This record gives sequence, structure tokens and C-alpha cells, in this order.
Amino acid sequence: QKEVEQNSGPLSVPEGAIASLNCTYSDRGSQSFFWYRQYSGKSPELIMFIYSNGDKEDGRFTAQLNKASQYVSLLIRDSQPSDSATYLCAVKGPFSGGYNKLIFGAGTRLAVHP
Amino acid sequence: DAGVTQSPTHLIKTRGQQVTLRCSPKSGHDTVSWYQQALGQGPQFIFQYYEEEERQRGNFPDRFSGHQFPNYSSELNVNALLLGDSALYLCASSLGGGGDGQPQHFGDGTRLSIL
Repeated sequence: QKEVEQNSGPLSVPEGAIASLNCTYSDRGSQSFFWYRQYSGKSPELIMFIYSNGDKEDGRFTAQLNKASQYVSLLIRDSQPSDSATYLCAVKGPFSGGYNKLIFGAGTRLAVHP
Repeated sequence: DAGVTQSPTHLIKTRGQQVTLRCSPKSGHDTVSWYQQALGQGPQFIFQYYEEEERQRGNFPDRFSGHQFPNYSSELNVNALLLGDSALYLCASSLGGGGDGQPQHFGDGTRLSIL
């Protein structure tokens, strides 16, 4: 079982729709959860992070965390063609000694078509 | 406010050679982590440096080594290069050696190609 799993996609949505990206993780002790966006040939760009169960909203983006189900998701409202990219889910394990290792999923490719 | 900077942008080497990649963290950050990203994969953690020491290491052989300088910049060295070392090497910086709530910010990466 992979530590962080994502559907590789591509997830295709029409412009203006809601895109829903999902991620599951295996370590129940994980504390922090991050979503990065990566355009082709570019480096990952931090979009959002969440630590507590529930929803966290930032503009068109909403991150949702359910620690009991070991599930984190990212919703993108009013999707735009410029949102077309690979979305990486990253998980940080239990805080121990100040370490800050991120474990990434393989990413979900999102395609927003006009 | 300068972000994370990496050099060089691209590099071509042959098998058996050695390479050094460089990273300057975002202003105010003191922790540097290195990741390797193969095509179509998520980044894989190599190691992290804080207070000039390697704090944590991923599943990479000893051919991969690093260093952090007093100004918090860092180098990644890879010896005896293999074809499988071809990848995008990413540097990420953060604050305070870890702790919940400290997101990592990535540089543009160095694309290493081994012939």
C-alpha cells in the first residue's frame, strides 16, 4: 500500500464546473496535509494546507480533511483552463524532533476544457 | 522578497560523473529539504538540513550527500551518476526545522539528464 494515494487522472471538467481531487494516506498519525499545483515542466506551487478536520476555504479552493477516514480532498470552484495542471497531495507525519519530511502522492492531472 | 533559488537550471552529465546542485532558501527560512522527482511521479524526499546538519534522510544511497552553510544555503552532491538519477531535483525551504504548520516552498528545480 502506498503511503499517499491519488487517482492519476486525467480528471476532465468543463470550464466553470467544480473539480474534486481526492487523496488517501496510510499513516494514521499524520498531522499536516498540503496541496501543491504543478504545471508541466515547472516546480510544485503551494496552494493550501490543512491540519484540522473539516473544511478550509481560500478563494476558489476548499480543502477538506477527514482524519478518521484518512482522506483529504481539494475542491476547485469555477474551474478555469488555467487550473489545468497536476495536483500533488503531500502529507507530513507526526511531529517528532522537528522533522519536516513531506510524503507526496503521484499527483492527479486536471484538464479544464472551455 | 526572494523565493527559493536553485542552480543550475539544467545539467547534462554522463554515467560515473559527479554533480553538485545548489539552493538558496527563501528569505527568512533556515531549513532546506531536497527532493527527487522522476517523470510522472511525485517528489521523493532525499534529506533535510537544519542548523548545518542532516536531520532526516529518505531511502537514497550514500552516493547522495549534502551540506548546509551558515547562511542556510545548501548543496546536493551526487557521485557515480547512474542513468536512473535522471530527474528533476527540487529544493524546498521552510522555517524552524519543522513543526506542524510550516509549509515548504519549492524552487524551480534543476533538471539533471544522465547520458
